[in-house]
Amino acid sequence: EADIYQTPRYLVIGTGKKITLECSQTMGHDKMYWYQQDPGMELHLIHYSYGVNSTEKGDLSSESTVSRIRTEHFPLTLESARPSHTSQYLCASSTSGQPQHFGDGTRLSIL
Amino acid sequence: SQQGEEDPQALSIQEGENATMNCSYKTSINNLQWYRQNSGRGLVHLILIRSNEREKHSGRLRVTLDTSKKSSSLLITASRAADTASYFCATSDMRFGAGTRLTVKP
Repeated sequence: EADIYQTPRYLVIGTGKKITLECSQTMGHDKMYWYQQDPGMELHLIHYSYGVNSTEKGDLSSESTVSRIRTEHFPLTLESARPSHTSQYLCASSTSGQPQHFGDGTRLSIL
Repeated sequence: SQQGEEDPQALSIQEGENATMNCSYKTSINNLQWYRQNSGRGLVHLILIRSNEREKHSGRLRVTLDTSKKSSSLLITASRAADTASYFCATSDMRFGAGTRLTVKP
């Protein structure tokens, strides 16, 4: 029943590669978020967007970048992946005053 | 730093018992939300309580909010093995705590 989709679900890739994690939602939500979460640990907000052409950095410094050219799409890009980027990345969306909907995440492993 | 902090970090109970998790936060909020996360999956919203509400129920879930103490609690009654998961609180600015890992033994 997911209305927010993340691809790929798992990614194992070598150091130095450029990576784009995809996130799309079909609910017309204006707000979208990226979180980074190590297994069993807390979620860290790394990027968010309150609408098209609006992006902000979150609390955790990240070497990733995001774009919001369309309401439904909020991709995250790592220009040159490093082992320290190994983590789970969760995308979420919401509208004002309403709870977030989360995707199932991308589990990223950098060798 | 993150806005919400859950307590305890881990909780292990027998099926049928009640589970209580607490959340403290630092700044003013419009609402507070509780989410559940099964291992390796995204978070699923459970319940939202607004700042002018003190208690809210949803099925076996009961949430309380004390804005004067900047704290909230989640009670799961008559727990089941399927309730095993991590539970997170989030403030209205979408910051999360570290979560409580609940294990319910059959």
